[in-house]
Amino acid sequence: DVKVTQSSRYLVKRTGEKVFLECVQDMDHENMFWYRQDPGLGLRLIYFSYDVKMKEKGDIPEGYSVSREKKERFSLILESASTNQTSMYLCASRPHLGLGGEQYFGPGTRLTVT
Amino acid sequence: AQSVTQLGSHVSVSEGALVLLRCNYSSSVPPYLFWYVQYPNQGLQLLLKYTSAATLVKGINGFEAEFKKSETSFHLTKPSAHMSDAAEYFCAVTLYNQGGKLIFGQGTELSVKP
Repeated sequence: DVKVTQSSRYLVKRTGEKVFLECVQDMDHENMFWYRQDPGLGLRLIYFSYDVKMKEKGDIPEGYSVSREKKERFSLILESASTNQTSMYLCASRPHLGLGGEQYFGPGTRLTVT
Repeated sequence: AQSVTQLGSHVSVSEGALVLLRCNYSSSVPPYLFWYVQYPNQGLQLLLKYTSAATLVKGINGFEAEFKKSETSFHLTKPSAHMSDAAEYFCAVTLYNQGGKLIFGQGTELSVKP
């Protein structure tokens, strides 16, 4: 079974703090993704990575950065957390199989910024 | 530009009734389409996917979806709802020219009444 794990299920941070969200997958997938999920908006892509040390902006990258130093790990960084970044964050991975390959999701991290 | 629209943010059915969740897409080329399910406090799990083979796609837990090119639709159905089907359902389309990125609909929350 593919397993995608996220470092925390729930996280509470203060405004201005630097926040790290970690995602690890155990299936040697090339592609990894970070989404945020908000009610009524579905999932929106923040950043994605096709392979180690590669990263591309998604639809809402402002206020976020990412790091992929190893194939299995993809980190999302909030340089200075703000209250409007309170959300559910979902990580996903996918083998590089062409367009029909499904994405496998982690359980999510619910981040609250106070 | 490709996009996905899910009609109805909340759908409520009685146990044993037909489930119909609607999804329409816009795409200038034949798309790959997915339905994901999210149970409370969990990540997303693939229900089924359309990748240009059979237009009627069968998925897990008794769900199926039919790709109708003339209607640009990919509606999800299940003949008889079960209490355990209560969840949020997301339709998604692959971005054809961007290597497997997904665009998600806004989600439909399914409630099942006893």
